[in-house]
Amino acid sequence: DQQVKQNSPSLSVQEGRISILNCDYTNSMFDYFLWYKKYPAEGPTFLISISSIKDKNEDGRFTVFLNKSAKHLSLHIVPSQPGDSAVYFCAARLSGGSYIPTFGRGTSLIVHP
Amino acid sequence: DVKVTQSSRYLVKRTGEKVFLECVQDMDHENMFWYRQDPGLGLRLIYFSYDVKMKEKGDIPEGYSVSREKKERFSLILESASTNQTSMYLCASSSGTVPHEQYFGPGTRLTVT
Repeated sequence: DQQVKQNSPSLSVQEGRISILNCDYTNSMFDYFLWYKKYPAEGPTFLISISSIKDKNEDGRFTVFLNKSAKHLSLHIVPSQPGDSAVYFCAARLSGGSYIPTFGRGTSLIVHP
Repeated sequence: DVKVTQSSRYLVKRTGEKVFLECVQDMDHENMFWYRQDPGLGLRLIYFSYDVKMKEKGDIPEGYSVSREKKERFSLILESASTNQTSMYLCASSSGTVPHEQYFGPGTRLTVT
C-alpha cells in the first residue's frame, strides 16, 4: 500500500514555462516532506523540504506547496530549464523523529528547449 | 560537502555468485541505508543501520545481508545473486540531528546474468 503517491510517471514542459509536480500522501502522521532530484546514473540529491507547520517554502526557482487538508503537496519550478530534466522523488517522514523517509515512485520531468 | 562513495559504478555477475557492494561516507553520519531503484517502483529500502554493528531490515531484505563494522562503511551482500537482483543499488547516509535528509552515493548498476 503506497503511502506516498506520485500519480504522474512523466511530465513534459517547454523551456521557460512552469513545471508542476504533484504528490499525494495517505498517512496523516507525516510531518516533514522532501523532494529529491535524480539524474540518470547518479544518486538522488536533496532539493527542497517543507515542514507540516508551513504551507509554502521557496528556494530560488523551486517552490513547494503543502495542502494538509487535502494531503497533497506540489513542487513548482519556474522558469523550467532543460537542465531540470530529471526524475523527481517526493518523500515524507513520520512524526516522532523517524529517520526513514517514505519515497514515492518518482516523476520523470523532461524540459524541451 | 558530504561525500558518499560506492565501490563500483557498474558490475556484472553470474547467477549464484556472492556479491559485495561497498559504501563509504566521510561525514561521520550515524545512519546509513541501502536502497534499490527499479523503473516504476521508485526507491525501495533494503536495510539500514543507525550505529556500528547495528542493522535493521527495510521493506525488501530477502536475499540480502549487510555489515557495518566501522561507522563510515556499510556493505551490502548478495549471498547468491539471482537475475531478479539486477538493479540500481543506492547507498545513503544521514546525520543523527537531521536524520531524514539523506545524502546518496552515485549508485551501482548491477547486472546478474
